[in-house]
Amino acid sequence: DAGVIQSPRHEVTEMGQEVTLRCKPISGHDYLFWYRQTMMRGLELLIYFNNNVPIDDSGMPEDRFSAKMPNASFSTLKIQPSEPRDSAVYFCASSSRTGGSFYEQYFGPGTRLTVT
Amino acid sequence: GQSLEQPSEVTAVEGAIVQINCTYQTSGFYGLSWYQQHDGGAPTFLSYNALDGLEETGRFSSFLSRSDSYGYLLLQELQMKDSASYFCAVRASLNSGNTPLVFGKGTRLSVIA
Repeated sequence: DAGVIQSPRHEVTEMGQEVTLRCKPISGHDYLFWYRQTMMRGLELLIYFNNNVPIDDSGMPEDRFSAKMPNASFSTLKIQPSEPRDSAVYFCASSSRTGGSFYEQYFGPGTRLTVT
Repeated sequence: GQSLEQPSEVTAVEGAIVQINCTYQTSGFYGLSWYQQHDGGAPTFLSYNALDGLEETGRFSSFLSRSDSYGYLLLQELQMKDSASYFCAVRASLNSGNTPLVFGKGTRLSVIA
Protein backbone atom coordinates (compact mmCIF):
# COMPACT_ATOMS: atom_id res chain seq x y z
CA ASP A 1 0.00 0.00 0.00
CA ALA A 2 1.18 3.53 -0.73
CA GLY A 3 0.38 4.77 2.74
CA VAL A 4 -1.49 7.96 3.55
CA ILE A 5 -1.09 10.49 0.76
CA GLN A 6 -1.28 14.23 1.32
CA SER A 7 -1.09 17.12 -1.09
CA PRO A 8 0.36 19.60 -1.47
CA ARG A 9 3.53 18.94 0.53
CA HIS A 10 4.26 22.64 0.81
CA GLU A 11 1.93 25.59 0.50
CA VAL A 12 2.81 29.25 0.72
CA THR A 13 -0.05 31.69 0.53
CA GLU A 14 -0.94 35.21 1.44
CA MET A 15 -3.17 36.17 4.32
CA GLY A 16 -6.80 36.15 3.32
CA GLN A 17 -6.47 33.47 0.67
CA GLU A 18 -8.29 30.15 0.73
CA VAL A 19 -6.20 27.06 1.35
CA THR A 20 -7.29 23.48 0.65
CA LEU A 21 -5.33 20.51 1.94
CA ARG A 22 -6.01 17.04 0.61
CA CYS A 23 -5.69 13.55 2.03
CA LYS A 24 -6.10 10.01 0.74
CA PRO A 25 -6.22 7.50 3.61
CA ILE A 26 -5.00 3.92 3.46
CA SER A 27 -7.50 1.74 1.68
CA GLY A 28 -9.74 -0.11 4.11
CA HIS A 29 -9.13 2.21 7.04
CA ASP A 30 -12.34 3.51 8.56
CA TYR A 31 -10.94 6.35 10.69
CA LEU A 32 -9.38 9.55 9.36
CA PHE A 33 -7.79 12.24 11.50
CA TRP A 34 -6.57 15.76 10.79
CA TYR A 35 -3.83 17.14 13.06
CA ARG A 36 -1.93 20.40 13.23
CA GLN A 37 1.62 20.56 14.59
CA THR A 38 3.46 23.66 15.79
CA MET A 39 6.40 24.12 18.11
CA MET A 40 4.27 25.98 20.62
CA ARG A 41 1.19 23.77 20.72
CA GLY A 42 2.55 20.39 19.68
CA LEU A 43 0.37 17.91 17.82
CA GLU A 44 -3.29 18.91 18.06
CA LEU A 45 -6.25 16.92 16.83
CA LEU A 46 -8.50 19.11 14.70
CA ILE A 47 -11.22 16.70 13.59
CA TYR A 48 -11.76 13.03 12.95
CA PHE A 49 -14.09 10.95 10.84
CA ASN A 50 -15.41 7.42 11.13
CA ASN A 51 -16.81 5.84 7.98
CA ASN A 52 -16.78 9.29 6.32
CA VAL A 53 -18.88 10.86 9.10
CA PRO A 54 -17.36 13.63 11.25
CA ILE A 55 -17.26 12.40 14.83
CA ASP A 56 -15.59 15.20 16.73
CA ASP A 57 -14.61 18.63 15.46
CA SER A 58 -14.03 20.23 18.84
CA GLY A 59 -10.38 20.80 17.93
CA MET A 60 -11.17 22.96 14.91
CA PRO A 61 -9.92 26.36 16.02
CA GLU A 62 -12.41 28.62 14.29
CA ASP A 63 -15.17 28.75 11.74
CA ARG A 64 -12.50 29.56 9.19
CA PHE A 65 -11.61 25.87 9.27
CA SER A 66 -13.79 23.22 7.66
CA ALA A 67 -13.25 19.58 6.74
CA LYS A 68 -15.09 17.16 4.53
CA MET A 69 -14.87 13.50 3.66
CA PRO A 70 -17.09 12.89 0.61
CA ASN A 71 -16.00 9.26 0.30
CA ALA A 72 -13.79 6.66 1.93
CA SER A 73 -10.73 7.58 -0.12
CA PHE A 74 -10.64 11.36 0.09
CA SER A 75 -10.78 14.17 2.62
CA THR A 76 -10.12 17.90 2.53
CA LEU A 77 -9.27 20.48 5.14
CA LYS A 78 -10.07 24.03 4.08
CA ILE A 79 -9.01 27.30 5.66
CA GLN A 80 -10.84 30.40 4.48
CA PRO A 81 -9.60 33.06 4.97
CA SER A 82 -6.11 32.03 6.01
CA GLU A 83 -4.12 33.96 8.62
CA PRO A 84 -0.40 33.95 9.51
CA ARG A 85 -1.14 32.12 12.77
CA ASP A 86 -2.40 29.17 10.71
CA SER A 87 1.17 28.48 9.63
CA ALA A 88 1.95 24.94 10.74
CA VAL A 89 2.41 21.40 9.51
CA TYR A 90 -0.91 19.70 8.92
CA PHE A 91 -0.99 15.92 9.12
CA CYS A 92 -3.63 13.51 8.01
CA ALA A 93 -3.70 10.06 9.60
CA SER A 94 -5.82 6.96 9.24
CA SER A 95 -6.43 3.84 11.25
CA SER A 96 -8.65 0.81 11.34
CA ARG A 97 -10.62 -0.57 14.23
CA THR A 98 -11.20 -3.84 12.46
CA GLY A 99 -8.05 -4.49 10.45
CA GLY A 100 -5.63 -3.17 13.01
CA SER A 101 -5.80 -0.95 16.01
CA PHE A 102 -7.38 2.41 16.68
CA TYR A 103 -4.24 3.25 18.62
CA GLU A 104 -1.95 2.59 15.68
CA GLN A 105 -2.45 5.55 13.42
CA TYR A 106 -0.66 5.89 10.09
CA PHE A 107 0.37 9.43 9.34
CA GLY A 108 0.83 11.05 5.97
CA PRO A 109 3.96 13.09 5.19
CA GLY A 110 2.20 16.33 6.13
CA THR A 111 1.58 19.65 4.43
CA ARG A 112 3.80 22.51 5.56
CA LEU A 113 1.63 25.63 5.34
CA THR A 114 3.11 29.12 5.44
CA VAL A 115 0.76 32.09 5.46
CA THR A 116 2.47 35.43 4.88
CA GLY B 1 -9.99 16.96 30.29
CA GLN B 2 -6.64 15.34 30.00
CA SER B 3 -2.99 16.25 30.25
CA LEU B 4 0.25 14.43 29.54
CA GLU B 5 3.67 15.30 30.90
CA GLN B 6 6.94 14.16 29.42
CA PRO B 7 10.43 15.69 29.52
CA SER B 8 11.12 18.12 26.70
CA GLU B 9 14.66 16.93 26.00
CA VAL B 10 16.89 13.94 26.78
CA THR B 11 20.47 13.31 25.73
CA ALA B 12 22.11 9.89 25.78
CA VAL B 13 25.24 8.19 24.51
CA GLU B 14 25.30 5.79 21.60
CA GLY B 15 25.01 2.20 22.84
CA ALA B 16 23.43 3.21 26.13
CA ILE B 17 19.90 2.79 27.47
CA VAL B 18 17.46 5.67 27.87
CA GLN B 19 14.04 5.87 29.49
CA ILE B 20 11.45 8.48 28.50
CA ASN B 21 8.72 8.94 31.08
CA CYS B 22 5.13 9.98 30.59
CA THR B 23 2.59 10.81 33.25
CA TYR B 24 -1.01 11.46 32.40
CA GLN B 25 -4.24 12.73 33.85
CA THR B 26 -7.40 11.72 32.04
CA SER B 27 -11.08 11.26 32.67
CA GLY B 28 -11.43 7.71 31.46
CA PHE B 29 -8.37 5.80 30.35
CA TYR B 30 -8.09 3.19 27.62
CA GLY B 31 -4.42 2.88 26.81
CA LEU B 32 -1.05 4.55 26.20
CA SER B 33 0.68 4.72 22.82
CA TRP B 34 4.15 5.85 21.79
CA TYR B 35 5.15 7.47 18.51
CA GLN B 36 8.49 8.45 17.00
CA GLN B 37 9.01 11.46 14.76
CA HIS B 38 12.24 12.36 13.00
CA ASP B 39 12.88 15.99 12.08
CA GLY B 40 10.86 16.86 9.01
CA GLY B 41 9.05 13.54 9.10
CA ALA B 42 5.71 12.20 10.19
CA PRO B 43 4.93 10.47 13.50
CA THR B 44 5.23 6.69 13.29
CA PHE B 45 3.67 4.20 15.70
CA LEU B 46 6.00 2.39 18.10
CA SER B 47 3.91 0.63 20.73
CA TYR B 48 0.69 0.46 22.69
CA ASN B 49 -0.08 -0.60 26.27
CA ALA B 50 -3.60 -1.21 27.50
CA LEU B 51 -2.65 -3.32 30.52
CA ASP B 52 -0.05 -2.92 33.23
CA GLY B 53 3.38 -4.26 32.48
CA LEU B 54 6.14 -4.26 29.92
CA GLU B 55 5.75 -4.74 26.18
CA GLU B 56 8.93 -5.46 24.26
CA THR B 57 9.54 -4.92 20.55
CA GLY B 58 13.15 -5.37 19.61
CA ARG B 59 15.30 -2.63 21.12
CA PHE B 60 12.22 -0.71 22.26
CA SER B 61 10.06 -1.54 25.27
CA SER B 62 7.08 0.27 26.74
CA PHE B 63 5.76 0.06 30.28
CA LEU B 64 2.45 1.06 31.83
CA SER B 65 1.25 1.42 35.40
CA ARG B 66 -2.43 2.32 35.38
CA SER B 67 -2.54 2.80 39.16
CA ASP B 68 0.25 5.38 38.94
CA SER B 69 -1.00 6.98 35.69
CA TYR B 70 2.51 6.50 34.41
CA GLY B 71 4.31 4.91 31.55
CA TYR B 72 7.70 4.94 29.92
CA LEU B 73 9.46 4.09 26.70
CA LEU B 74 12.77 2.29 27.06
CA LEU B 75 15.28 2.38 24.22
CA GLN B 76 18.24 0.00 24.43
CA GLU B 77 21.49 -0.16 22.47
CA LEU B 78 20.95 3.39 21.32
CA GLN B 79 21.89 4.21 17.76
CA MET B 80 22.41 7.60 16.15
CA LYS B 81 19.29 7.03 14.05
CA ASP B 82 17.23 6.96 17.27
CA SER B 83 17.69 10.73 17.54
CA ALA B 84 14.12 11.93 17.15
CA SER B 85 11.13 13.19 19.08
CA TYR B 86 9.07 10.67 21.02
CA PHE B 87 5.42 11.27 21.87
CA CYS B 88 3.21 9.51 24.33
CA ALA B 89 -0.49 9.54 23.56
CA VAL B 90 -3.55 8.44 25.48
CA ARG B 91 -6.95 7.51 24.26
CA ALA B 92 -9.11 9.42 26.67
CA SER B 93 -12.68 10.62 26.98
CA LEU B 94 -13.48 14.09 25.76
CA ASN B 95 -16.39 16.11 27.09
CA SER B 96 -18.17 15.14 23.92
CA GLY B 97 -17.92 11.51 24.97
CA ASN B 98 -15.60 10.71 22.07
CA THR B 99 -12.27 9.01 22.66
CA PRO B 100 -9.58 10.02 20.20
CA LEU B 101 -5.85 9.97 20.86
CA VAL B 102 -4.40 12.97 22.68
CA PHE B 103 -0.66 13.50 22.25
CA GLY B 104 1.92 14.84 24.69
CA LYS B 105 4.26 17.64 23.67
CA GLY B 106 7.05 15.19 22.89
CA THR B 107 10.55 14.44 24.14
CA ARG B 108 13.44 15.30 21.88
CA LEU B 109 16.09 12.58 22.17
CA SER B 110 19.62 13.38 21.08
CA VAL B 111 22.01 10.46 20.78
CA ILE B 112 25.66 11.49 20.94
CA ALA B 113 28.79 9.55 20.13
